[in-house]
Amino acid sequence: KAGVTQTPRYLIKTRGQQVTLSCSPISGHRSVSWYQQTPGQGLQFLFEYFSETQRNKGNFPGRFSGRQFSNSRSEMNVSTLELGDSALYLCASSPGLAEQETQYFGPGTRLLVL
Amino acid sequence: AQSVTQLGSHVSVSEGALVLLRCNYSSSVPPYLFWYVQYPNQGLQLLLKYTSAATLVKGINGFEAEFKKSETSFHLTKPSAHMSDAAEYFCAVSARRGSTLGRLYFGRGTQLTVWP
Repeated sequence: KAGVTQTPRYLIKTRGQQVTLSCSPISGHRSVSWYQQTPGQGLQFLFEYFSETQRNKGNFPGRFSGRQFSNSRSEMNVSTLELGDSALYLCASSPGLAEQETQYFGPGTRLLVL
Repeated sequence: AQSVTQLGSHVSVSEGALVLLRCNYSSSVPPYLFWYVQYPNQGLQLLLKYTSAATLVKGINGFEAEFKKSETSFHLTKPSAHMSDAAEYFCAVSARRGSTLGRLYFGRGTQLTVWP
């Protein structure tokens, strides 16, 4: 089975721009979660989508948004980029039916905001 | 609310020595607990997880962890460190209720260095 894939792997943007990141889950998984990883704040939960609906949301400003398509692929968008948005963005997939499920992580997209 | 505390942001051991990475959790309901490993420029890989079937959990690469409810701990151990174990390790908790489906609460991570 193919793992979780994320595109692009690296991205450089400037302040004020917007960016869209993509995540393709493991086949059959309906839940996609997004996390931001920074040296200062560690791993922080952004949001989770299940069957095209946002089911959980972390404590991030509205500039961070996401969506999920009918094939379970997910995108997250960050508008009006700030320097502090520089981070590794990780997505994870799981069947989405129980809390004890393993979340399988992709390799991440490293975003640098200049 | 759920939270995880990892004691020690950096741990250094010699090759062949015991590895002990500490994790304490806080949860208002019985937790599910996970250990993940992250190698440079990669995502997170599951080492092992506790789902209440057994308090001693064995994972990949010779790692194991013991769930101790009385101590609210889930420490990760490996009897003999290998150079390839050098990585960052994360402890995470998920609560047993539907409102947190798809959400893991992570500790701040422990960087393991293995000296030859």
